[in-house]
Amino acid sequence: GEDVEQSLFLSVREGDSSVINCTYTDSSSTYLYWYKQEPGAGLQLLTYIFSNMDMKQDQRLTVLLNKKDKHLSLRIADTQTGDSAIYFCAETPNTDKLIFGTGTRLQVFP
Amino acid sequence: GAVVSQHPSRVICKSGTSVKIECRSLDFQATTMFWYRQFPKKSLMLMATSNEGSKATYEQGVEKDKFLINHASLTLSTLTVTSAHPEDSSFYICSARNPREGWVYGYTFGSGTRLTVV
Repeated sequence: GEDVEQSLFLSVREGDSSVINCTYTDSSSTYLYWYKQEPGAGLQLLTYIFSNMDMKQDQRLTVLLNKKDKHLSLRIADTQTGDSAIYFCAETPNTDKLIFGTGTRLQVFP
Repeated sequence: GAVVSQHPSRVICKSGTSVKIECRSLDFQATTMFWYRQFPKKSLMLMATSNEGSKATYEQGVEKDKFLINHASLTLSTLTVTSAHPEDSSFYICSARNPREGWVYGYTFGSGTRLTVV
């Protein structure tokens, strides 16, 4: 299957860390991605992880991958108001189609 | 970097009319383009995959006659919502795949089209 699930909302205080979780069912994806969507806009690739990696760090972003549990997470350190957006995880299960999760709306308050 | 232009960004149309949305890759040739529909509080749902010069491949549950996709050149794909109804109101996003960029950076998204059918 190609179902990718995320929690719908997350609210954090500015300066705190945010953790956005994603579960997927298809284990054949070579890459897993995190995209960001700002209001009324398209999608911007934030980061990605290769399926044989457990962790990837990119400045304030940390991606953790647990292949056994088919669980992917994105941690944003020192969350800022500019991080408020919808975050999508995505996979490409043996095709060139990007399959997106349900999206998590992150709201950062002062 | 790669740019995909999607036009129009917003459109309001009357029920029963047709609306065409364009997706152009500006600085690369896109062998494959994808059309997504975004529902409120829900995921980006892949509607169809469009390959230049061939018929689009539609996802299960997407009406082919309702959502006409044409990929006439390597830089242009169009989505036409025919006989639009209020339930077709949504945010539509296209994506173009640049085969020279590999699997990570090869997807570029348009900025989306907000369709409102009244």
